[in-house]
Amino acid sequence: EADIYQTPRYLVIGTGKKITLECSQTMGHDKMYWYQQDPGMELHLIHYSYGVNSTEKGDLSSESTVSRIRTEHFPLTLESARPSHTSQYLCASMKGGAGNTEAFFGQGTRLTVV
Amino acid sequence: QKEVEQDPGPLSVPEGAIVSLNCTYSNSAFQYFMWYRQYSRKGPELLMYTYSSGNKEDGRFTAQVDKSSKYISLFIRDSQPSDSATYLCAMSLQGNKLVFGAGTILRVKS
Repeated sequence: EADIYQTPRYLVIGTGKKITLECSQTMGHDKMYWYQQDPGMELHLIHYSYGVNSTEKGDLSSESTVSRIRTEHFPLTLESARPSHTSQYLCASMKGGAGNTEAFFGQGTRLTVV
Repeated sequence: QKEVEQDPGPLSVPEGAIVSLNCTYSNSAFQYFMWYRQYSRKGPELLMYTYSSGNKEDGRFTAQVDKSSKYISLFIRDSQPSDSATYLCAMSLQGNKLVFGAGTILRVKS
């Protein structure tokens, strides 16, 4: 089983609240990713990082922000949650270097904004 | 147009059947092709990985890549109820950012 953890697993929160989704990995991977997954839809990349103090926005526009202060930690923050943010959020990590394609995923955070 | 197209199913088969799952893609520069399996309430996990064109076999699973047709397939022989899951194809240029299909829901009935 992959050593990548997401908390909380489930979260129901009111509109306008600030939330942080946590993601930690103990594999020492340089690359980390946040994906958004909705039923019947492909995983959309919303943020990624190739190392400490390096973060980039993904292909899907998102109102969230991320930080990478430590290799093992890649939290995602929503400053003001809205019902449109309701989704499953998946964190993943990958070893550095070209040709490494195995992404290890956490179990996901199911977010519901009411 | 989506970069990766995958029929979401659901695909329902009897136990022991041969299952064929497919994806098409539009970016001819993709070099790495993967299949992930995702059980309910879990994150995806890597099942098969192929570099460039060709076939790869691992037990009951065979992955095929046809770059000329921009088409990849996953075959499952002697399917089992434990194979019931969502299967996601994924591909990338140099192993950095993965582009995923929508996933096919597979149900194997005992």
